[in-house]
Amino acid sequence: EVQLLESGGGLVQPGGSLRLSCAASGFTFSSYAVSWVRQAPGKGLEWVSGISGSGRSTYYADSVKGRFTISRDNSKNTLYLQMNSLRAGDTAVYYCAKAETTVTTGSDYWGQGTLVTVSS
Amino acid sequence: QSVLTQSPSASGTPGQRVTISCSGSSSNIGSNYVYWYQQLPGTAPKLLIYRNNQRPSGVPDRFSGSKSGTSASLAISGLRSEDEADYYCATWDDSLSGRVFGGGTKLTVL
Repeated sequence: EVQLLESGGGLVQPGGSLRLSCAASGFTFSSYAVSWVRQAPGKGLEWVSGISGSGRSTYYADSVKGRFTISRDNSKNTLYLQMNSLRAGDTAVYYCAKAETTVTTGSDYWGQGTLVTVSS
Repeated sequence: QSVLTQSPSASGTPGQRVTISCSGSSSNIGSNYVYWYQQLPGTAPKLLIYRNNQRPSGVPDRFSGSKSGTSASLAISGLRSEDEADYYCATWDDSLSGRVFGGGTKLTVL
């Protein structure tokens, strides 16, 4: 059974940093791309970033480019999102999502999400 | 403003057939697979349709997807009260080099 478990969310001040983690199990982690998708309170889904199975290719939404860094440790079956220079507009539930195959394909499994609140 | 356009709301009575549309462009829907997700209140999105018209195991055949040119549709037949949820379309955009979502359609079962 595929499982994705996010952690690392919490309350952070504007301009601060936070690192999210996503522990994956139930599939061969290194064979699949994974992404971060967020949802602001009461709003729709917004793709944040994606990374290939090998980790060599990364992609970012314009809204986070230069501030967020996606990475993965295939030896630990774990996905990360380093978030710097956080803004109020980054407040959202952040979901980790496994791709069907490559990063250009959609997500077939999602974690339950972790809430990030940026506020003073 | 979402790259993919969905109507904000849709409604139907139990047993009816409802269609939710998703409009894009040649750089996204026109050249990539479309995926549909169902999100019940307070829960994570769930995959309903992948690769335009394929259903994952466990998804009832009341749900079907189609794609034509730069538009896609999700049809729900035999509407049930538990279908009341938000529905999102998604695909890859070659120009943006990123995934794009529709703004979501809130389905109400009257």
